[in-house]
Amino acid sequence: DGGITQSPKYLFRKEGQNVTLSCEQNLNHDAMYWYRQDPGQGLRLIYYSQIVNDFQKGDIAEGYSVSREKKESFPLTVTSAQKNPTAFYLCASSMPGGAKETQYFGPGTRLLVL
Amino acid sequence: GENVEQHPSTLSVQEGDSAVIKCTYSDSASNYFPWYKQELGKRPQLIIDIRSNVGEKKDQRIAVTLNKTAKHFSLHITETQPEDSAVYFCAASRGGSYIPTFGRGTSLIVHP
Repeated sequence: DGGITQSPKYLFRKEGQNVTLSCEQNLNHDAMYWYRQDPGQGLRLIYYSQIVNDFQKGDIAEGYSVSREKKESFPLTVTSAQKNPTAFYLCASSMPGGAKETQYFGPGTRLLVL
Repeated sequence: GENVEQHPSTLSVQEGDSAVIKCTYSDSASNYFPWYKQELGKRPQLIIDIRSNVGEKKDQRIAVTLNKTAKHFSLHITETQPEDSAVYFCAASRGGSYIPTFGRGTSLIVHP
């Protein structure tokens, strides 16, 4: 299961607090993604990045921010503006346009609100 | 944009039975259709995929079929086993710089 890692596995957020979820990949993939998973709602795209120093909003970007300063890293910050952050967060990477355009997922971070 | 509908949301079968999960897509330009399996508390992982130039693909007990005219594709699992119990996601993509669109998932329960 190596290649893409996320930390921490569990994260607790207090009211009004910003928290950052880490995502690192050593697959040399250009594209990276953040998804939010809630029961019965599948995978909803928060942000994605096709190249370093560039990223785009997904379907549910409000209350979240990202950066892509290095190819290997795509951290997600859950800001205090996100009123319902409790969910399972999945990071993924892929090589668009390649022979295999599969998304490789990290193990996920479960965020809980105290 | 692309819209992917996945049915059923829950599927319960007896061990040894077959299971079929269906997805429809809206963008006729989509050409890559992967299926992911997510066991409880774990990451989704690719189990099989198909491109639009192929109608069917098999890998041991799993197979995927694609009907481009009707814009639907299906996952078939034969001789189901309890370890097949998981959530299965379909996805559709144009490839290249386009972002894949996922279905909402099907929870497959295989009873021993």
